[in-house]
Amino acid sequence: DVLMTQTPVSLPVSLGGQVSISCRSSQSLVHSDGNTYLHWYLQKPGQSPQLLIYRVSNRFSGVPDRFSGSGSGTDFTLKISRVEPEDLGVYYCLQSTHFPYTFGAGTKLELK
Amino acid sequence: EVQLVESGGGLVQPGRSLKLSCAASGFTFSNYYMAWVRQAPKKGLEWVATISTSGSRTYYPDSVKGRFTISRDNAKSSLYLQMNSLKSEDTATYYCARQPGYPYWGQGVMVTVSS
Repeated sequence: DVLMTQTPVSLPVSLGGQVSISCRSSQSLVHSDGNTYLHWYLQKPGQSPQLLIYRVSNRFSGVPDRFSGSGSGTDFTLKISRVEPEDLGVYYCLQSTHFPYTFGAGTKLELK
Repeated sequence: EVQLVESGGGLVQPGRSLKLSCAASGFTFSNYYMAWVRQAPKKGLEWVATISTSGSRTYYPDSVKGRFTISRDNAKSSLYLQMNSLKSEDTATYYCARQPGYPYWGQGVMVTVSS
């Protein structure tokens, strides 16, 4: 199984600040079709997860451009600039290149 | 508007069975792979099952393979998860989600496996 190592576990932030979350996979996430199926989600307290970024760097509909994704192969990053209160919650990465699909353990973004 | 609404959760004893349902609307259900994802209390997310558009192909992690069965009824725009031989570690909120990339999730349904 592909192990997704997500860091940090907890990320204190000041409103208006910028943060980065890392997600590293135990093997390349490049699919045989040439795409890289690495996605990012935010789960706010008491809510279902919501898609932020799909296939490494594509923002889902309605997601502010404060969110950006980058990376390739086994090393991926989610950056959030100008953090707002509604950005707080737990962030997860997911790889859907290889079965079984696997999520990172999550990064909790919280106020300093 | 895309909507996914799960139902069928509840309290069940270890070793027993339960069937979850997910009613989809707002998109052409038969055009999309669908999935179930679960989240144990205070834990992270775990992919549970995926089914192809026609239902002919299904995929599971080892943790549920042989015990869980995902199925669909395209005429009813419905997704199902038959869970047999339930264990305490299956206790979780179960979400249905549309693939690829899970852009849409249901609100989740709680399954508690306990005697």
